[in-house]
Amino acid sequence: GQNIDQPTEMTATEGAIVQINCTYQTSGFNGLFWYQQHAGEAPTFLSYNVLDGLEEKGRFSSFLSRSKGYSYLLLKELQMKDSASYLCAVRPRSGNSGYSTLTFGKGTMLLVSP
Amino acid sequence: DSGVTQTPKHLITATGQRVTLRCSPRSGDLSVYWYQQSLDQGLQFLIQYYNGEERAKGNILERFSAQQFPDLHSELNLSSLELGDSALYFCASSDVGATNYGYTFGSGTRLTVV
Repeated sequence: GQNIDQPTEMTATEGAIVQINCTYQTSGFNGLFWYQQHAGEAPTFLSYNVLDGLEEKGRFSSFLSRSKGYSYLLLKELQMKDSASYLCAVRPRSGNSGYSTLTFGKGTMLLVSP
Repeated sequence: DSGVTQTPKHLITATGQRVTLRCSPRSGDLSVYWYQQSLDQGLQFLIQYYNGEERAKGNILERFSAQQFPDLHSELNLSSLELGDSALYFCASSDVGATNYGYTFGSGTRLTVV
């Protein structure tokens, strides 16, 4: 099975940088995803890592270390609209690529203040 | 609009009743996933269908069942409802292998059992 840990809540100031950590334990690994979810809305895709290293996409970057079972999401130049829950999700290795199921962490609620 | 359509958006029903939630996946996606999200549990995987066949089961209660029809839409049936079943129910879809984007989520159905 999979076990995913991330902080429950974080606070930051508008314009600042925040790093949200995620650690995972899984019997097999085939990718890690970050999603953003505003209250009462659907999760939306932010980033995907399958190899070690940093993936940058605008104000958002995600890092993965497979040997450490560790990832982080880095948000730069924070805006008020970034206040949301950030979900880390792991995809296990599957014998058939058509049958992958994501396991989600409980999410990190980020509050951005003026 | 993510391309994944869920109906209804809101549902209020009494304990002991049965409801059906409906999901139409994004065009071209063969996989449909159902997730339950409550405040304390985060996104919990219920069940996955791929091209009409059940492919993976998660923490789905025996009172719950699902199916995927030939046109690829899916229905989640919840019966003998209890207060604890109140939650957001999300449907997501993906292409084969859920490639680099993981899932696309629908806007969810908020179920309130009174």
